[in-house]
Amino acid sequence: DIQMTQSPASLSASLGETVTIECRASEDIYSNLAWYQQKPGNSPQLLIYDANSLADGVPSRFSGSGSGTQYSLKINSLQSEDVASYFCQQYNNYPPTFGAGTKLELK
Amino acid sequence: EVQLQESGPGLVKPSQSLSLTCSVTGYSITSNYWGWIRKFPGNKMEWMGYISYSGSTSYNPSLKSRISITRDTSKNQFFLQLNSVTTEDTATYYCARPRGYYGRYYFDYWGQGVMVTVSS
Repeated sequence: DIQMTQSPASLSASLGETVTIECRASEDIYSNLAWYQQKPGNSPQLLIYDANSLADGVPSRFSGSGSGTQYSLKINSLQSEDVASYFCQQYNNYPPTFGAGTKLELK
Repeated sequence: EVQLQESGPGLVKPSQSLSLTCSVTGYSITSNYWGWIRKFPGNKMEWMGYISYSGSTSYNPSLKSRISITRDTSKNQFFLQLNSVTTEDTATYYCARPRGYYGRYYFDYWGQGVMVTVSS
């Protein structure tokens, strides 16, 4: 199985700040990567698919980039409603696998 | 709008079977793949399997022969059965709708999740 190494495990940032979360795959996943946001008590919400495509209804302050084995999620101008956990998922290889998650808190 | 809702017992005894239902509204289960994913305490997530629009299935090899996903198209529901559970199967179980192609799927709609504890 492809291993997804996500960093950092936790992150504290201020309102208005830009935040970057990274995922590294154990082999090339050819941009077949999704990012999700999960708020406490809620189900995961798709943010990004195909490494850089914004899902419907997701604010434009979220963006994804990367290729090969290295991918990142950037949140511009952090808002209070962005406090959540974020995780990546590769879907290039079977079975699909997930990163361990990043917990984002306000400083 | 597509909505998914899991239901089932929150407590299962070791060695017994875990059975969950996912009820789908706003989209026919005969028009897409549908899947189960679980999140363990400590936040590790595991894709468990899919059932296709035609009823064929694909499972995570890690679950070997313990898993079965079936469906009832008349009720627009699909089901998860996991046999011979142990405490390591304690997790929050989600049903979700995969999107993508050629077996490469991400998940665009998720249920709220149901927490299942395996304990005697």
